[in-house]
Parts: sequence; structure tokens; C-alpha cells
Amino acid sequence: EAGVAQSPRYKIIEKRQSVAFWCNPISGHATLYWYQQILGQGPKLLIQFQNNGVVDDSQLPKDRFSAERLKGVDSTLKIQPAKLEDSAVYLCASSFSGTERHNEQFFGPGTRLTVL
Amino acid sequence: AQSVTQPDIHITVSEGASLELRCNYSYGATPYLFWYVQSPGQGLQLLLKYFSGDTLVQGIKGFEAEFKRSQSSFNLRKPSVHWSDAAEYFCAVGGQGGKLIFGQGTELSVKP
Repeated sequence: EAGVAQSPRYKIIEKRQSVAFWCNPISGHATLYWYQQILGQGPKLLIQFQNNGVVDDSQLPKDRFSAERLKGVDSTLKIQPAKLEDSAVYLCASSFSGTERHNEQFFGPGTRLTVL
Repeated sequence: AQSVTQPDIHITVSEGASLELRCNYSYGATPYLFWYVQSPGQGLQLLLKYFSGDTLVQGIKGFEAEFKRSQSSFNLRKPSVHWSDAAEYFCAVGGQGGKLIFGQGTELSVKP
């Protein structure tokens, strides 16, 4: 079974530029998550989708971050414009069920973003 | 507030020695607890999880964890560490809506 796919794996941009990350979850998984992992910290949830609807985006900086999950499969996370503090690894995860607290999430390899 | 604390930022053990990584959580309801491992450049891999029942949970790669409600802890253990266990380890609690709330991680180094 294929895992969660993410691209690109690495991205270096200048501050104020825009960047987009792509995620393809495991086939059949209804729930998709984007986490931000700053160096030396644990991952922090940015946004959670259930199919193509948003469940939780309370930690998403909406003035610069946006995300969509058209057709309830692939997802794109965008940052526009980027700031230095956005340098982090962006992890995508998916799970079969949905909003139960015990559901197991499967993680992709992440995209490492460096903002100069 | 929901939170997870991993008191040790970095631990070094000798190969073949035993290992214990500490995790304390704060959660108002019944906790659902997880341990993940992250190797350099890789995503997070689930080692084990606790939902209910037996408080000693067995996971992959020879890891186990013990849930102690009275201490709000979920420590990860391994009786004999291998060099390939060097990685970063994250404890997490399952939060409202299914999101994971992670600790800050413990980096494990293994001496030959």
C-alpha cells in the first residue's frame, strides 16, 4: 500500500515570496492533516480536513496561509507571503476514519521549507 | 489545557543498554496516547498506542510503554537499544476532533 506522498521535499525561498506544498494521502483515507514542525519542536496542527470540508483550522495563520482539498483527495498548502519564521518542516498526514481521538494517523516524509 | 511534556531534550545511551523516555500529559478526559519515531529526513512512524485496557502496551521494534494514570505518564522503554534506534521520539495525545498534540520530542543518540 502506498504511503502519504508529499512534494517538493525541500524548498528554499526569499521572504515575501509565495510557496505551495502538495500532499496525496493514502487511498481511501477521509481525513487529511497539515502539521508544522519548527526545528526543536513537536509538530503542531495547522489544518484538518474531513473529505473536502475543514474540521479545524484554528491554528492556521489565515492572513498568509491557505489550504484546500478539492474533490476530497489531494491537498495543497500555500504560504503567501512567506516570513522568516515560516521556516519549518510541513508534514501531511491522513487517517481512515475521522474525528475520533484514537484514530491512527499516517505521515508523509514532509517538506522542509527554508525562508531566507 | 491539553499538553504533552517530554522532559528530556536529548538522551545518549550505549548500544545494548536499556532505554526509558519520559512523557507526561495533561488532558481532561480519558487520554489516547501515542509514541512516534522520526528518523532524519523521514516522516513520523507510529511505535505504539494506548487506548484502554492493559496499561503495558507493546509496540514495534521491541518498544513498550506503560500508562500510569496516577502519574499522568506514558513512558517509553526498550530493554536493549540498537544503533538503528537513534532518532527523535515524540509522545502525543489524541485531542478533540482527532488531531494529535505532540510533545517537543526527545533526541536519542546511541554510543557504540
